[in-house]
Amino acid sequence: EAQVTQNPRYLITVTGKKLTVTCSQNMNHEYMSWYRQDPGLGLRQIYYSMNVEVTDKGDVPEGYKVSRKEKRNFPLILESPSPNQTSLYFCASSLSQGSNEQFFGPGTRLTVL
Amino acid sequence: GDSVTQMEGPVTLSEEAFLTINCTYTATGYPSLFWYVQYPGEGLQLLLKATKADDKGSNKGFEATYRKETTSFHLEKGSVQVSDSAVYFCALPPLNSGNTPLVFGKGTRLSVIA
Repeated sequence: EAQVTQNPRYLITVTGKKLTVTCSQNMNHEYMSWYRQDPGLGLRQIYYSMNVEVTDKGDVPEGYKVSRKEKRNFPLILESPSPNQTSLYFCASSLSQGSNEQFFGPGTRLTVL
Repeated sequence: GDSVTQMEGPVTLSEEAFLTINCTYTATGYPSLFWYVQYPGEGLQLLLKATKADDKGSNKGFEATYRKETTSFHLEKGSVQVSDSAVYFCALPPLNSGNTPLVFGKGTRLSVIA
């Protein structure tokens, strides 16, 4: 089954404790990205990757890192989480940057205390 | 730049009521237009799309017509069900795609009560 998977689905952590949210897709998609979804603000893009070893900042990259060592995986790293990073996070992939249909993971709800 | 404006929610309807969720866009040229749906606890998924003016996209009883003259792509359904309760996002690809394949509206939450 074609899908984007994220882990964990739910996470409660404390300020400053490094964490990683994994994202994996099995569709051989080149383009992957991370969004955060907050009430009243819709979806905002954090980082994106157009292919292996190619990553770049989205609209709200501060406090986040990513890596793309393999085509299928695109982990999101919070080196020192803060309460303002409490949010719902989505990973998405598409065939290419020019391919309009995006496939989304189920989301990770993160709470930083 | 290219943008999408959706009606504010939440929208609450009784089962079998008629649904309209308004979406207007600002874009250079005539991009494809999309509606995505996010069911509770899930990620967004494509609901329907239209690729050119006057096209009608349809899926699961939902329809939307690409209206060039009013720059709109309103989502409609004749008879909603409780299972349609979700957040709906209108989207379009920005002309200068920049870093994202799609620009999303802020979403409209629909609640359908039995």
